[in-house]
Amino acid sequence: NAGVTQTPKFRVLKTGQSMTLLCAQDMNHEYMYWYRQDPGMGLRLIHYSVGEGTTAKGEVPDGYNVSRLKKQNFLLGLESAAPSQTSVYFCASNEVEANYGYTFGSGTRLTVV
Amino acid sequence: KQEVTQIPAALSVPEGENLVLNCSFTDSAIYNLQWFRQDPGKGLTSLLLIQSSQREQTSGRLNASLDKSSGRSTLYIAASQPGDSATYLCAPEDSSYKLIFGSGTRLLVRP
Repeated sequence: NAGVTQTPKFRVLKTGQSMTLLCAQDMNHEYMYWYRQDPGMGLRLIHYSVGEGTTAKGEVPDGYNVSRLKKQNFLLGLESAAPSQTSVYFCASNEVEANYGYTFGSGTRLTVV
Repeated sequence: KQEVTQIPAALSVPEGENLVLNCSFTDSAIYNLQWFRQDPGKGLTSLLLIQSSQREQTSGRLNASLDKSSGRSTLYIAASQPGDSATYLCAPEDSSYKLIFGSGTRLLVRP
């Protein structure tokens, strides 16, 4: 089925460890986004990309890096994980020209201990 | 900076009631507005997209309206069912094609 796929779905990290979250979409969308969701709060934008090879900072970018080497993939990296990065991470994609709205992945639940 | 507020934060109703969820935003210069549903521990499911030139959208028992000038959107759910229990998220799209989210309305429909 077409859509946005996130891997892994769950992960536990120790403070200071690094990891990469992968987002893949098969809809040929130009725009891709990484959000985080914390209890009682709405989703907050971490980084986004408006096309292959581009990245931009969102509302809460500190402690994260991203890369968009291929149009269909958007990677979110944590170089040195901190407990404050415990959250649920959602990836989304959008095709501005088509104007069909945003499609979200099912999320990655990350716990940093 | 765009601020999105959803009222009420939580709502509990008996099955069969018609209900209205409210969303307000501070910057009226938005493009589209999208309503999502989120079940506990799950991802976001798109319910309705109101495009920039539209004032409302309907899908089954759901109807969403948008008034950009007043910075408001409402989601109307007719004849609510226990299966409608979820968190509903409102997200206007800013001029840089980014969604800004409210904290959501947590809905419980009692049988």
